[in-house]
Amino acid sequence: ETGVTQSPTHLIKTRGQQVTLRCSSQSGHNTVSWYQQALGQGPQFIFQYYREEENGRGNFPPRFSGLQFPNYSSELNVNALELDDSALYLCASSLMPSGAYEQYFGPGTRLTVT
Amino acid sequence: KQEVTQIPAALSVPEGENLVLNCSFTDSAIYNLQWFRQDPGKGLTSLLLIQSSQREQTSGRLNASLDKSSGRSTLYIAASQPGDSATYLCADSSMNYGGSQGNLIFGKGTKLSVKP
Repeated sequence: ETGVTQSPTHLIKTRGQQVTLRCSSQSGHNTVSWYQQALGQGPQFIFQYYREEENGRGNFPPRFSGLQFPNYSSELNVNALELDDSALYLCASSLMPSGAYEQYFGPGTRLTVT
Repeated sequence: KQEVTQIPAALSVPEGENLVLNCSFTDSAIYNLQWFRQDPGKGLTSLLLIQSSQREQTSGRLNASLDKSSGRSTLYIAASQPGDSATYLCADSSMNYGGSQGNLIFGKGTKLSVKP
C-alpha cells in the first residue's frame, strides 16, 4: 500500500508568480486536505476536496485554489505569490471527509518565495 | 473559535528522564485528538490518535491521555532518548469548526531537546 506522496519536494518562486503543488492520496482514500505550515507555527487548514469537489475551506484568499482528479489525487494552486506564502505545504488523505476518520500526511513541499 | 494550545513551547531534558507534554483545547466536541512528531524541515509523523470515546492510547514508550471535560491531553514519554528530539504537535478534529468537519486544528508545538 502506497502512502501519501507530494511533489515537488522543494520549490523556489518569485513574488507574483504562480505555483502548482501535487499530492497523491493513499490507496482507497477519496478525501484530500491541504495545510500550510509557516516557520515555527502549527499547520493551518487551507481546504479539503472530496469526490472532486471543494468540501470546506479555511481562512485563505481565493488566490489559493485546488483541484481533485478522478483518481483522487489533488493539486494546490497559488496565484500572485507573496513573500508570506513561503511555508511547508502538507497534504493529507483520509477514507471519508468526516473528522472521525484519521488523516494521513505526506512529506510536504517546501515553497520559498523570493 | 476552536483553539489548541501547547505548553511549554520548548523543553530541554537530560537523557533518561520521563516527561510530559501538554495540550489544551477549547471545544470539547471533538471526534478525536492526535499527536504528531515533526523533525526539522520534515513532514508529520503520526504518533497516537485518541478517539473521543477513549481515555488513553499507548505505543511503546509513549502514552497519550485525553480528558474532554477539562479540554486537556497529555503525551507522556518514558525514558527519553536523544532520538526523541523533535517538535511534538497535537491536533484535534472538532465537530463544530465551520470550515470543514474534516479538518484538523493544530497547536504550535513543543520543541523537545533530549541531551545525551
